[in-house]
Amino acid sequence: RKEVEQDPGPFNVPEGATVAFNCTYSNSASQSFFWYRQDCRKEPKLLMSVYSSGNEDGRFTAQLNRASQYISLLIRDSKLSDSATYLCVLYRGGGNKLTFGTGTQLKVEL
Amino acid sequence: GAVVSQHPSRVICKSGTSVKIECRSLDFQATTMFWYRQFPKQSLMLMATSNEGSKATYEQGVEKDKFLINHASLTLSTLTVTSAHPEDSSFYICSASSGFGNTIYFGEGSWLTVV
Repeated sequence: RKEVEQDPGPFNVPEGATVAFNCTYSNSASQSFFWYRQDCRKEPKLLMSVYSSGNEDGRFTAQLNRASQYISLLIRDSKLSDSATYLCVLYRGGGNKLTFGTGTQLKVEL
Repeated sequence: GAVVSQHPSRVICKSGTSVKIECRSLDFQATTMFWYRQFPKQSLMLMATSNEGSKATYEQGVEKDKFLINHASLTLSTLTVTSAHPEDSSFYICSASSGFGNTIYFGEGSWLTVV
């Protein structure tokens, strides 16, 4: 089983829609969780950290469920510029090592 | 602006030659940098951890003699792909952090095509 699993998509949604992604992880020792955004042929960029209490940044809401070992990302009022691949990322300590999921592709359409 | 700079952004080389990719932290000192590789439609895979002043730590399955890593200063790590072959064609990305638990920044990535 992969350490991090994501639905690769693509998720094709109309502009203004709400879309949610989930990510499951297998290593319960994972300490921190992040969502990164990666545009085509570019480096990943940090979107937001994910906390058990849930956190919100504008149109983006992230949630962590340690008991079920999954994290989620909710995007409200989707914009065309949200089109990208969203990477679920785990941090397990011991020197800043990150483990990446394969990413979920989002396409926001007119 | 970029906090971690990677160069070159794109390189094409002939099979059998070696290619060097540089990763620089611009605004901070990084005792540790990481090198990743990403094949199309796949996740970033950690290749090795570059440690300033000491040998790199390679992930399982990554050939240390093929992917030479040098971290000679606190702001520069280099990855050299030796005797490159077409299957080495990939997107190589470095990352760095100013310290444990601090934000991790990625370089812009380097597209390597071996012909």
